[in-house]
Order: sequence, then structure tokens, then C-alpha cells
Amino acid sequence: EVQLVESGGGLVKPGGSLRLSCAASGFTFSSYSMNWVRQAPGKGLEWVSSISSSSSYIYYADSVKGRFTISRDNAKNSLYLQMNSLRAEDTAVYYCAREVQLWPDFDYWGQGTLVTVSS
Amino acid sequence: DIVMTQTPLSSPVTLGQPASISCRSSQSLVHSDGNTYLSWLQQRPGQPPRLLIYKISNRFSGVPDRFSGSGAGTDFTLKISRVEAEDVGVYYCMQATQFPQTFGQGTKVEIK
Repeated sequence: EVQLVESGGGLVKPGGSLRLSCAASGFTFSSYSMNWVRQAPGKGLEWVSSISSSSSYIYYADSVKGRFTISRDNAKNSLYLQMNSLRAEDTAVYYCAREVQLWPDFDYWGQGTLVTVSS
Repeated sequence: DIVMTQTPLSSPVTLGQPASISCRSSQSLVHSDGNTYLSWLQQRPGQPPRLLIYKISNRFSGVPDRFSGSGAGTDFTLKISRVEAEDVGVYYCMQATQFPQTFGQGTKVEIK
């Protein structure tokens, strides 16, 4: 069974940093591109970042470019999102999502971790 | 970025009756490889999104056959043939034809 479990969320002050993790199991993690997608409270879904299976290709939404860094450790079956210079508008539930191997749909999602940026 | 527009934003439905959600994209979703990467996601209250339909009309693993997708080009539809209580939630269309993937605003399906 595919499982994605996020952790690392919490309350942080504007300008602060946080590192999110996503632990994957039930599939060959190193064979899949992975993504972070966020959802502000009561709002819709916004793609944040993606990383290819071997970390060769990395992409960011314009809203987080230069502040967030995605990475992965295939030996640990883990995905990460380092978030710096956090702003109030980054407040959201952050989901990690697996990308279908042959096209960029998201077939499995984690439960999400809440990041709150507030003074 | 491709803009995805869903209608209606809210859909009160009687149990056992059909429901239909429309999604329109700001440009054609036909990829250069000939496929159309339009999917539908379901988000039940307090739950993460779940993939229901991919490439317009293909049901994902475990999705009941009362869910169906159709459409082409820029206009797409998700239909629920007979709404059940467990179908309550928000439904999103998503395009993966052009980077970055973008989502519709969501349509809330609730029971009358």
C-alpha cells in the first residue's frame, strides 16, 4: 500500500524557517518524481514544487522561488521542503504527492502538515 | 499558466440523484503527444485530495463506476450518476498538460 506521511509543520514567525519531511513507503520511491502541493485554509490547491526521481530536475512555483528548496534522499525514502523567509501567505496545509510515472498527474497524496506563519 | 474554471462552485444534490460539474480551461489541454491530461480529484471533509479520474475519462484504482468523466479540448465534465453520502466533499479539476499543473477553484457537493 502506498503511504506518504508528512511531518515538520508548525507555527513560525514571519521571516522564519521550517523544514517539512515526507516519508514514503509501499512503492519504489527512487523511481518516482515527487511534488509538494499546498492548500491555504478554506482555499483551493496550489502546486509548489517538484523533483524528479534522481533530483536532476527541480521546479518551483514563482510564489516560492528563491525561498523554498525541495530535496530528496532516495536511500531514506524521504522527500523534503526547506522553507525560508516565510510569509503569512505561506500559511497552508502542505501535501506531498507522488507523480504518475508516465505523465505529471498526482496519483497518491499524503495527509498533509499544517504550516502557520504568524507573529 | 493555464487557468481552470469550474462551475458551479456549489452543488446541493438529493441522495440517489445525479450530479454534474463542469471545468473549462483557458487553452486547449491536448498535449503534443496526443493525450489530454485532465484529471478530477475528490477531497472529502478533513481529508487530502484523492485522484478519481485521469486523462479525461479513466477511473483510478478503486473508484466506483458511478463516477465518469468526459470532454475534449477545453471543456470537461465530471458526472456522478447517483450521489451517495460518502460523495460529499469538494471536487477539483486539474490540468497536467502544461507546466505548472493548475487546479480549478473546486466545487462543493453537499446533500440537500
